[in-house]
Amino acid sequence: GAVVSQHPSWVICKSGTSVKIECRSLDFQATTMFWYRQFPKQSLMLMATSNEGSKATYEQGVEKDKFLINHASLTLSTLTVTSAHPEDSSFYICSARVQGRFNEQFFGPGTRLTVL
Amino acid sequence: GENVEQHPSTLSVQEGDSAVIKCTYSDSASNYFPWYKQELGKRPQLIIDIRSNVGEKKDQRIAVTLNKTAKHFSLHITETQPEDSAVYFCAASPGGSNYKLTFGKGTLLTVNP
Repeated sequence: GAVVSQHPSWVICKSGTSVKIECRSLDFQATTMFWYRQFPKQSLMLMATSNEGSKATYEQGVEKDKFLINHASLTLSTLTVTSAHPEDSSFYICSARVQGRFNEQFFGPGTRLTVL
Repeated sequence: GENVEQHPSTLSVQEGDSAVIKCTYSDSASNYFPWYKQELGKRPQLIIDIRSNVGEKKDQRIAVTLNKTAKHFSLHITETQPEDSAVYFCAASPGGSNYKLTFGKGTLLTVNP
């Protein structure tokens, strides 16, 4: 149980285009999902907390107009990188909190974004 | 906000030896401390966690200790195997209605056969 999927697993796009990444909880309902960014050989940096049915809470320094988050259902959250630039190239990972299991988070497999 | 320091950044051991990774945290309100293992290009996998009402937890070759007074917690891996080679991250969370995890910078563990 507690499986989280992400799609796509990798994407290459041109500078200036937008990319949407989906995060799904497959066998449980996730009222809270998290989006992280991880640069090579670095730690996971929380970008935002996504709550079903409400606006996402962004961490300091993360541009909410550039990284659009939508959590429209209990099993799906999406991250859209708008007007992507090469510096947005990174590994984006989502996680979902299992309700009733304290603070435990389960991670998706990640999406490798490369912006040319 | 919370700040988590992790040491060492790299650790190389011989197969069969023990490995210890240490973390300190700054927010005394933190009460949940998970450890994740991440292989290259893969998702972080929860390997063990501990809550603030417990001082030690063990799961086969893996154990975690927590010292709330000193605000530090450690991961102990005994009888290391080459497949234990990965990056290990510690994290801390304040709990309550705030479920955010703050991660340490990670430790690259290499187990040499």
